[in-house]
Parts: sequence; C-alpha cells; structure tokens
Amino acid sequence: KAGVTQTPRYLIKTRGQQVTLSCSPISGHRSVSWYQQTPGQGLQFLFEYFSETQRNKGNFPGRFSGRQFSNSRSEMNVSTLELGDSALYLCASSLYALGHTDTQYFGPGTRLTVL
Amino acid sequence: QQPVQSPQAVILREGEDAVINCSSSKALYSVHWYRQKHGEAPIFLMILLKGGEQKGHDKISASFNEKKQQSSLYLTASQLSYSGTYFCGTEPGHTDKLIFGTGTRLQVFP
Repeated sequence: KAGVTQTPRYLIKTRGQQVTLSCSPISGHRSVSWYQQTPGQGLQFLFEYFSETQRNKGNFPGRFSGRQFSNSRSEMNVSTLELGDSALYLCASSLYALGHTDTQYFGPGTRLTVL
Repeated sequence: QQPVQSPQAVILREGEDAVINCSSSKALYSVHWYRQKHGEAPIFLMILLKGGEQKGHDKISASFNEKKQQSSLYLTASQLSYSGTYFCGTEPGHTDKLIFGTGTRLQVFP
C-alpha cells in the first residue's frame, strides 16, 4: 500500500498570504489528523477529520481550517499567514478515528516558510 | 497539558541501554510512542492503554504507570538505527486528542 502523501513538500509564502496544504491518506483510512511541528513546541495537534467531519480541534486560531473530502483526502488552509506559522505540517492517517487506539501513519510533511 | 519528556537528550554507545520518560499532569487513557529521524516522518512504535500490560518488540519496550500518569520507553542494547527523536503522545481521558511531548533526542555512536 502507498503511504501517506503530502503536497507540496516545500512552500515559501509572505506574511498576509494564505496557503492550502494537501494530504492523501493510506487507502482505506478514514481518519486524517493534522499537526504542526516546530523546534520549540514539538508536535501540536491541529485537528482531526473522520468521514468528512471535524471530530476534534486543538488550540489554534480560526485562521487554521481544514476539510475532508469523500475520498478521505484532506486539505488544511491557513489564512493571513504570520511569521510564527513557519513550521513543518504533518498529517497522519488511521483506519479508525482517534481514540480507538489505532496506529497513526504520518506523511513526510510540508515545510512552510513565511517571510 | 503537554506531557513532559526526560531526558531531553541522550548520547549512547552501541550496546548501551536507555530509558526515556513521559509524564503528564492529567489522567491518561493511553500513551503512544513514536520515533522520528531527521527529515523523516514519525514512525509508530507502540501504544499502551490504561489497564494494559507492558509492551515491547525486539529490544524496545514500554510501561505505563497509571497512578503516576507516567510512561517509560526502554531501549536495550541500542543499535545505530535507534538514533532519532522519540515522542510520547498522550490521550488525556477520553478526549480523542493526542498531545505530544517535546521529544527526546537520542544519538547512538559506534
């Protein structure tokens, strides 16, 4: 089976712009979670989507949003970019929803740099 | 709410053992362990559930002390391939969220 894929792998944007990141889960997986990884804060949970519905959300401002399509692919959008949004954005997929102790498989991430 | 990992960094020679701890101030339902090599995606190691037994595979095992809200990851007879950053992810209660620690960087030298 193909693993989790994320596109693009690298992005450079300027403050105030918006960005959309894409994540394709492992075939058959219905849950997609998004994380922000920075050297100082580590891995921080953004949100989880399961069957096109947002199940859970972390403590991030409303500028961070996402959605999931019927084929389980997910997109994450960040509007009005700030310098502090520079990070590696990881998505992870699992067969079941988080909380079912299912294994999460991470993608390689999208490295976002905000100038 | 973020679990605290200790130590922050470990340097080992091949064949030595290491213990990485993960502590939370919240009552935990489960603890997940991942390893991430530089520039790569985190890889799942194991999940420990409240009330579950100690788990392990190969020379990596973990325990979960529910009373102390702590988990420990044990790496025995370390190999070069063990190098990377280890993260614990905790699920406080039945929140269905994974909160990760800031990681423990482990380096194994020949």
